[in-house]
Order: sequence, then C-alpha cells, then structure tokens
Amino acid sequence: AQSVTQLGSHVSVSEGALVLLRCNYSSSVPPYLFWYVQYPNQGLQLLLKYTTGATLVKGINGFEAEFKKSETSFHLTKPSAHMSDAAEYFCAVSAAGTASKLTFGTGTRLQVTL
Amino acid sequence: DAGVTQSPTHLIKTRGQHVTLRCSPISGHKSVSWYQQVLGQGPQFIFQYYEKEERGRGNFPDRFSARQFPNYSSELNVNALLLGDSALYLCASSSNFGFANTGELFFGEGSRLTVL
Repeated sequence: AQSVTQLGSHVSVSEGALVLLRCNYSSSVPPYLFWYVQYPNQGLQLLLKYTTGATLVKGINGFEAEFKKSETSFHLTKPSAHMSDAAEYFCAVSAAGTASKLTFGTGTRLQVTL
Repeated sequence: DAGVTQSPTHLIKTRGQHVTLRCSPISGHKSVSWYQQVLGQGPQFIFQYYEKEERGRGNFPDRFSARQFPNYSSELNVNALLLGDSALYLCASSSNFGFANTGELFFGEGSRLTVL
C-alpha cells in the first residue's frame, strides 16, 4: 500500500521568496514520485517526477524536488516565487508497473503575495 | 495537437439518476484512467483501461463502471447517484501501460458533477 502526506494545506509566501512544499510518502516498494499543479477550474499538469536515477529532479517553471529515501520525503522547492505560481499542488506516488494508479496527497494551496 | 478532452464539462443530476462521462485521450495514447476529485481533496483512482481491457480498479462501489472503445476513447458510468458522488471527474491518458515510457499521465480539465 502507498500513501502521501502533504504537510500544510495552505502555504503563503511573498513574491520572490523561497517556495517549499512538503511531501512525505509511504510505500512498500520502490516508489515513483510526482508533483502536479492544478490551476482553478483546470486539470492537473505534471511539474516533475522521480522514477530512478538522479535524486534531484528539475521540472517546469523553475521547480525542483529531491528524493530522500532515508527521510521518505519528496519536497518541492522553487528559489523565487512568482504571482503566477499561485495554485494547488499535489504530491503523488505510484509503484513501477502501476503508472496510472497514482495515490495523491490532499494538496497544498500556494498563495503568493506582493 | 489536442490534449485530453472530456465532456460534458459541467452537469447537474438528482439522487438516483445515472450519469455517463466521456473522455478522448491524446492521439496515439492507448491507456485511459479515471479519477474522482472531491472538493478539497486530492484525486482518487477509479479505473484504468489499456487496449480496451480493465487493468486496474480503485476502491469504488459497483455503481461505478467504465469501458474503453476501439478508438481508445472511454466512458465512465455511475448509477444510482448519491450526494457524495458530487465531484470533479478527471480523465488521464498515457501512451503505455506501466512505465515503459515516460510514465506521465496527461489530464483533461474534468467533468464537474453536482448531485442534488
């Protein structure tokens, strides 16, 4: 069984500040990890993913995440927030071979203020 | 190229009715998955279909069913609607089953179902 915990349902940062969204996972098999973003009234867009290999993963829009097995974490970061980053962010986990069966966290709403 | 398209975008039903939601995957994608997203929560996996066969099912009652057609489009059917079925239903497509390729799911914008 797999699960995801996203710490903080709401995060507010100032424009230009560091963005840090936390995700911890539980998986009985080696996990594949994802971050998705959802803008209002839209579907989900993949930001980045970790499957195998390099544990620091770079994604779109300047986001990156680091897979830390020892901490069972996959936190999402961006050095400098932009107003356009305001959205809902979901961390998800799956097992190899079950690519379409993602288990999502409950999401973190990012607010960016001037 | 067109992305994943879903219809209808919004619909309102009453308890006990039946609903059919439709999804067209990205051209060339053979796998379609369905997710339910209740307001304030993350999406929950309902079904996956690949090459017209069910390849995965989430923890949903038998009132939920789906199928995939030869052109890889898909329908999600929900019978005997309950108030708790009100949600955004998301369809996602991918090119392969498993992680043979990128393992990326491409989501549509969803069908928002309101049950009164």
